[in-house]
Amino acid sequence: QVQLQESGPGLVRPSETLSLTCTVSGGSMSTYYWSWIRQPPGKGLDWIGYIYYSGSTNYNPSLKSRVTISIDTSKNQFSLKLSSVTAADTAVYYCASYNWNDGAFGPWGQGTLVTVSS
Amino acid sequence: DIQMTQSPSSLSASVGDRVTITCQASQDINNYLNWYQQKPGKAPKLLIYDASNLETGVPSRFSGSGSGTDFTFTISSLQPEDIATYYCQQCANLLTFGGGTKVEIK
Repeated sequence: QVQLQESGPGLVRPSETLSLTCTVSGGSMSTYYWSWIRQPPGKGLDWIGYIYYSGSTNYNPSLKSRVTISIDTSKNQFSLKLSSVTAADTAVYYCASYNWNDGAFGPWGQGTLVTVSS
Repeated sequence: DIQMTQSPSSLSASVGDRVTITCQASQDINNYLNWYQQKPGKAPKLLIYDASNLETGVPSRFSGSGSGTDFTFTISSLQPEDIATYYCQQCANLLTFGGGTKVEIK
């Protein structure tokens, strides 16, 4: 069974770039798409984007100008960069596999809280 | 962009009750609709895919139906362990989640 684990700073200063990495274990990165989803405290889920092992990406239009998702299959990792962050970007950030066949997410990482504050 | 409107935003029901949640898409999404359960402090878990297919290992008291723009998620007999927030998610055009429905025990 594929397992995912997010890592990265828990605190980011306003206007700086949020950077997170997701490490995948227990499966091949060529099997799925790989996605980032976030959830502000007490609020709902917001899809950020996904990447295929080939490097092709698709992003949420509302975040597209600030988001970059990249992949390193040699390390079994994919990464998220979100630039020019504000307090509104404070959220739990999840990485998850995305199955193109049924359009569903899973498995998921446990999530990591990123707070944007000076 | 496709918007997903879920209702109600919260509900309170007794153990054994039938619980129904609806999700409406802003345009036709065929059956490209999934349902998730999220318990506090945990990642969401897929319950239903393609509007009506039960994910392996998910109890049969959970079900989904619908096509086009209107979808329904049902718990046939609410159990204490079903306390959670439930989300719909469309995959017809990019990916969008509904706003969530928090289910509590009365």
